[in-house]
Amino acid sequence: GESVGLHLPTLSVQEGDNSIINCAYSNSASDYFIWYKQESGKGPQFIIDIRSNMDKRQGQRVTVLLNKTVKHLSLQIAATQPGDSAVYFCADAQGTYKYIFGTGTRLKVLA
Amino acid sequence: NAGVMQNPRHLVRRRGQEARLRCSPMKGHSHVYWYRQLPEEGLKFMVYLQKENIIDESGMPKERFSAEFPKEGPSILRIQQVVRGDSAAYFCASSPRTGSSYEQYFGPGTRLTVT
Repeated sequence: GESVGLHLPTLSVQEGDNSIINCAYSNSASDYFIWYKQESGKGPQFIIDIRSNMDKRQGQRVTVLLNKTVKHLSLQIAATQPGDSAVYFCADAQGTYKYIFGTGTRLKVLA
Repeated sequence: NAGVMQNPRHLVRRRGQEARLRCSPMKGHSHVYWYRQLPEEGLKFMVYLQKENIIDESGMPKERFSAEFPKEGPSILRIQQVVRGDSAAYFCASSPRTGSSYEQYFGPGTRLTVT
C-alpha cells in the first residue's frame, strides 16, 4: 500500500550544526506535505508545510525541500539547538484529510 | 486562544472496562480527527467527524470502538471492553476546514494503558 517512510531512525548532531532529516513517499499524486515535531509526552507540533507546486519553502531556521522526481522530501534545521531534540515526522495528506505519517526520526542534539 | 484540548491525559483501565477519551477542538474548528500512535511508531488515522456526523471511520476497528461529535460538547472516542492491544496514545486534531491542504492542529493526546 501507500507509505511514507524515513531513512534514519535516529540522528545525532552537535549543537550548532545543521540537521537534515529525510523522508520518502510513494504516492505520486500526493500534493501536500507537513513536518511535525513531537516532544516526549506531547502531541505533534506543526513545523512547516509544502505543497507539490513548490520545491522549497523556508521558515524560521527550517527549510523543507521537495523532490517530486524521486518522491523525497527533507527537513533542514539550521544551527540545531538542544530544544530541537524530539521525534520528527513527515506527513503526507495524499490529497485527503487522512494524513499518512512516517515512523519518525529521533533527533538528538549533543552539547 | 486555547489549542486542542484532550482529557484525560493519562488513563488506566483493566481489561474488559470501557475507556472514554475527550477532545475539544480549537475555537472555530468544526472538523475533528482521531489518530492512534503505538510506541515508536507514527500516527495512524482512525476517524473524521464534523458536528453530529461521522464522515469517515475507515481507520477505526469495527468492533468495540466508536466516536461521536455532538452538537454541544467535546468529541468522544469510546473503547468498550478494552484489551491490552488498545494501549496506545490517542491524539485528536482539528481544522477550520477540511481537505488535502488544510493544516491539522493536534492536542496533547491521551495515553491509555490497559492492565
